[in-house]
Amino acid sequence: EAGVAQSPRYKIIEKRQSVAFWCNPISGHATLYWYQQILGQGPKLLIQFQNNGVVDDSQLPKDRFSAERLKGVDSTLKIQPAKLEDSAVYLCASSLESSVGYEQYFGPGTRLTVT
Amino acid sequence: AQSVTQLGSHVSVSEGALVLLRCNYSSSVPPYLFWYVQYPNQGLQLLLKYTTGATLVKGINGFEAEFKKSETSFHLTKPSAHMSDAAEYFCAVSDRDDKIIFGKGTRLHILP
Repeated sequence: EAGVAQSPRYKIIEKRQSVAFWCNPISGHATLYWYQQILGQGPKLLIQFQNNGVVDDSQLPKDRFSAERLKGVDSTLKIQPAKLEDSAVYLCASSLESSVGYEQYFGPGTRLTVT
Repeated sequence: AQSVTQLGSHVSVSEGALVLLRCNYSSSVPPYLFWYVQYPNQGLQLLLKYTTGATLVKGINGFEAEFKKSETSFHLTKPSAHMSDAAEYFCAVSDRDDKIIFGKGTRLHILP
């Protein structure tokens, strides 16, 4: 079974530029999560999708971050414009359903450096 | 609000020695508790989880954790460390509201 795929793996941009990350979850997984992991901290949930609908985006900085999951499969996370404090690893995860009883499977992440 | 505290951002143990990674949580309801491992340049992998029932939970790679409600703890142990155990470990809690809160992580170093 293929795991969660993310691209690119690494990205370096200058502040005020825009960037997009892509995630392809495990086939059949209805729930998709985007996390932000700043160096030295645990992952923080940015947004959670159930199929193509948003379940929770309470911690997404909506003035600069956006995410979509068209067709309920793969997803993109965009930052525009980027700030220095956005430097982090962005992790995508998926699970069969949204209940925490279902295991979340994580992708390898995209490491973003904003200079 | 739920929260997780991991004691020690770095822990070093000798190969073959006991591994003990400490985790304390705060939750207003009986929680779900998790331990995840993250190897360099990889995503997180679930080691074990506690939901209900037996308080001693066994996971993959020889790890286990015990839920102690009176101490609000969920410490992770392994009797004998192996070089391949070197990684970052995250404790996490959920109030069963479909949201998982992660601790800051503990980096485990294995000394030869």
